[in-house]
Formats: sequence, C-alpha cells, structure tokens
Amino acid sequence: ETGVTQSPTHLIKTRGQQVTLRCSSQSGHNTVSWYQQALGQGPQFIFQYYREEENGRGNFPPRFSGLQFPNYSSELNVNALELDDSALYLCASSRLQRGDTDTQYFGPGTRLTVL
Amino acid sequence: DQQVKQNSPSLSVQEGRISILNCDYTNSMFDYFLWYKKYPAEGPTFLISISSIKDKNEDGRFTVFLNKSAKHLSLHIVPSQPGDSAVYFCAASEVNSGGGADGLTFGKGTHLIIQP
Repeated sequence: ETGVTQSPTHLIKTRGQQVTLRCSSQSGHNTVSWYQQALGQGPQFIFQYYREEENGRGNFPPRFSGLQFPNYSSELNVNALELDDSALYLCASSRLQRGDTDTQYFGPGTRLTVL
Repeated sequence: DQQVKQNSPSLSVQEGRISILNCDYTNSMFDYFLWYKKYPAEGPTFLISISSIKDKNEDGRFTVFLNKSAKHLSLHIVPSQPGDSAVYFCAASEVNSGGGADGLTFGKGTHLIIQP
C-alpha cells in the first residue's frame, strides 16, 4: 500500500510569486485535505477535496486554491505569495463517506520559504 | 481562539516509565479525537483515535482516555521508549451534518523527551 507523497520537498519563492504544490493520496482514499503548519504551531486546515470538489474550507483567503484529479491526486495553488505564507504545507488523505469521519493520513510535507 | 489546547509545550519522562500527554477542547460539537506523532522533517503519523461514544481506546502501548464532561483527553504511553521522543499533536473533528468538512483542528503540540 503506497502512502501519501508530496512534491517538491522544499521550495523557495519571492513575494508576489505563485506556487503549486502536489500531493498523491494513499491508494483506496478518495479525499485530500491540505494544512498549513507555521513554526511552533499545529497544522491549520486550509481545505478539503472530495470527488474533485471542494468539500470544506478553513479560514484562508481565496488566493489559496486547489484541485483534485480523477485519480484523487491534488494540487494546492497559492497566488500573490506573502512572507507569512512561509510554512510547512501538509497533505492528508482519507476515505470519506459523507456524514462520516475517517482518519487522515499525512504526507511528509513541502517546506515553502517566501523571501 | 484555540479550540484544542495542549498546555504543556514539553514533557520529559524516564525510559520505562509512563508518559501522559494531555489535551483540552472547548467545542462541544467535536466527536472524534486523534493523536498524531511527528518527527522533525516528517509529516504527522497517526497513532490512535477515539470516538465520543467511547471513553477509552487501547492499542499496544498507547491508550487514549476521553472525559467528555470535562472536555479533556489524554494519551498514555507505557512503557516509554527512546523512539517515542517526538512532538505529539492532539486533533479533533466533528461530523458535519451538512455533508461538508471542517477538517481537523489541532493543538500546538507537546514535545515528549524520553530520557535513558
């Protein structure tokens, strides 16, 4: 069973640029969630995708957007990068059925640095 | 406004003893709770979970206790081993009857250090 993978591992961008992060979900999982973890904090929920549609969103501005593909892999796009976007971005997959909860399994993360 | 709180940033325990990590929550709608372990430069690894219909769940050396009236849960690790040294995150979620998802709400973590 293949676990959750993310790419790239590290990324350096400058303020104002755009970035795309990628995630492949664990086999058998149909849901992908994205989290932002700032230094010294717990992960914060950005949004979740279920069957290629956004299924829920945390308190993040619209410049954070995403996609889920038919094979359940996902992208996180961030436009107009700001210094405060520097963080570890985590992807988690799960097998969600509507109205139910399931354990989320995390990838290793992408460390984004904005200069 | 932190809905999940881990009030101990760090905890030091001797190898072989019991480690007890605590977590408090404020949102009474939370009904599913999880503990994750995180090593530096890795993503969080799922350890154990508990549904609000239970008050205890056990898996090997790990036991999670849930006290709904106090809105408190704890993770017990016994016996503690050097490989248990990591940051432990408590997380909570709620079933959204509208079918959407609010994701997991995490605490800030507790750094557990197991001393030989």
